[in-house]
Amino acid sequence: SQQGEEDPQALSIQEGENATMNCSYKTSINNLQWYRQNSGRGLVHLILIRSNEREKHSGRLRVTLDTSKKSSSLLITASRAADTASYFCATERVFGAGTILRVKS
Amino acid sequence: DTAVSQTPKYLVTQMGNDKSIKCEQNLGHDTMYWYKQDSKKFLKIMFSYNNKELIINETVPNRFSPKSPDKAHLNLHINSLELGDSAVYFCASSQVPGASTGELFFGEGSRLTVL
Repeated sequence: SQQGEEDPQALSIQEGENATMNCSYKTSINNLQWYRQNSGRGLVHLILIRSNEREKHSGRLRVTLDTSKKSSSLLITASRAADTASYFCATERVFGAGTILRVKS
Repeated sequence: DTAVSQTPKYLVTQMGNDKSIKCEQNLGHDTMYWYKQDSKKFLKIMFSYNNKELIINETVPNRFSPKSPDKAHLNLHINSLELGDSAVYFCASSQVPGASTGELFFGEGSRLTVL
């Protein structure tokens, strides 16, 4: 089964900075989704990008998808301490290992 | 109202015991899932049911048996618990089955510790 792999595994930034997380996958997809998981909580859906889309925005989130490279990126602009969480990409119901983001205030 | 609720939130038990985790969703979704998240935070799908019918059954020991009495409930029963079963188990639901054309709604997780 295909599997998303996030990069980096962990990211620590200052409040106000931008955070970029990358995801790679192995096989063709219908769409790719990003989720956030706060410590000790369930995952929350952030954004879905379809295979025929290249970029999508939602508030401070920007997601790109490059199907030729089988990769996606999640950009969080003007980060806040509340953005501290783990971020996962998912393709066809399969999740990667996630990126742990820590935003320092 | 909680959309996807699972109980218990924490479960500590001895090796060899049998335990169950219950899940209920009030979103009117047809599809429900069980995921296992290990200590490294890797989230792996275990089962998926669509309208009470099993549609995904990943390579999971047959000690794990899901049961869906109706489309709003998907329970997970685990027999003869082993140390390696310690993990957080997440229930999820979606409006659309199969390929991920829609978002998943997750419960808060059930942390199982096997001693």
